[in-house]
Amino acid sequence: DVKVTQSSRYLVKRTGEKVFLECVQDMDHENMFWYRQDPGLGLRLIYFSYDVKMKEKGDIPEGYSVSREKKERFSLILESASTNQTSMYLCASSLSPRDGYTFGSGTRLTVV
Amino acid sequence: AQKVTQAQTEISVVEKEDVTLDCVYETRDTTYYLFWYKQPPSGELVFLIRRNSFDEQNEISGRYSWNFQKSTSSFNFTITASQVVDSAVYFCALSYGSNDYKLSFGAGTTVTVRA
Repeated sequence: DVKVTQSSRYLVKRTGEKVFLECVQDMDHENMFWYRQDPGLGLRLIYFSYDVKMKEKGDIPEGYSVSREKKERFSLILESASTNQTSMYLCASSLSPRDGYTFGSGTRLTVV
Repeated sequence: AQKVTQAQTEISVVEKEDVTLDCVYETRDTTYYLFWYKQPPSGELVFLIRRNSFDEQNEISGRYSWNFQKSTSSFNFTITASQVVDSAVYFCALSYGSNDYKLSFGAGTTVTVRA
């Protein structure tokens, strides 16, 4: 089975800190995604990567950046964390549209 | 722009009742994929089904069934004879973008099945 692993289940960070959320997949998928999940809003796409060093903005990229130096790893970076970035962050990978996504367990980030 | 609407925020049923989750979508694409995902309390989203826009056949998988109607832009999901383990948040999603790699999700429907 494809496995998508997010390094932290829970994180608490201070306002203004630089935050790194790590995601690793083990099935050689080219496509990786970062979503945030908020009550009543569902999942919203932050960034998408379709190959190493390639990225594309999603619907809500402001305040975030990403890094994909290796195929299996996709990092989400909060340059200067703010309280409105408190959320559940979900990483996913996909081989093709017909396969859907495989999601990680999520990282619940609290910014205080 | 694409949009997925799940009008039901929460549904509560007693075990063995049937429950239907509604999903209505908007897209200008002629080809697309629709998905349902389940998110149990553990948090990890689990893929349930994919349907492409050319395939309007209904599908049944055990106690789960899906009704795709392109004419009404709906992709509804029914759980028959619900069980406590079906308690979860269910998301409907629609592909978009070049090659359909990106997904737009609805807000989710929380299903609670009481024993």
